Amino acid sequence: DGGITQSPKYLFRKEGQNVTLSCEQNLNHDAMYWYRQDPGQGLRLIYYSQIVNDFQKGDIAEGYSVSREKKESFPLTVTSAQKNPTAFYLCASSHGTGGTGELFFGEGSRLTVL
Amino acid sequence: QKEVEQDPGPLSVPEGAIVSLNCTYSNSAFQYFMWYRQYSRKGPELLMYTYSSGNKEDGRFTAQVDKSSKYISLFIRDSQPSDSATYLCAMFTGAGSYQLTFGKGTKLSVIP
Repeated sequence: DGGITQSPKYLFRKEGQNVTLSCEQNLNHDAMYWYRQDPGQGLRLIYYSQIVNDFQKGDIAEGYSVSREKKESFPLTVTSAQKNPTAFYLCASSHGTGGTGELFFGEGSRLTVL
Repeated sequence: QKEVEQDPGPLSVPEGAIVSLNCTYSNSAFQYFMWYRQYSRKGPELLMYTYSSGNKEDGRFTAQVDKSSKYISLFIRDSQPSDSATYLCAMFTGAGSYQLTFGKGTKLSVIP
């Protein structure tokens, strides 16, 4: 089955700790994205990558970091610098340039800071 | 003014009702319009996709785009409890940019 796999589904973190959220896709998509979703805020773009070894900041990149060493993988690290990290995190992918623009989403990872 | 405005609801309707969900936008360069459905604690999934102005129908769902008014709508006929979800509108220009701009989502409950 083609799709996007996010892990872990639920994660608890103590203040001051970095955590890494995994995102893997087997859709052969060029572009990958990380969004944060808070109640009443909709989806906010954290980082996106249109090609391996390249990524761009989105609207709320502060306190987050990413890497794109492989086409299939786009992990997100939530650092201790992120002031309010408790949220629902969504990874997505798309064909990128030349595609329809449709985003395919994973099931999400819910991070709670204790 | 935000680029995309969407009433967050919540919207509660009886089973069988016609539901109307709407978004307004300010960027006249938007050409591609989508509606995503998101069930609780799940990722969004694409429901409808339209280009430019006009209507598109898929079963009980109809998407309408009025570019002159910068207004898009999603109609759900004969609503079912399984339609209970959050509906997000999304759009992009397509002119070299494939980044979607999302509305905040409308939470819909269909009561049996």
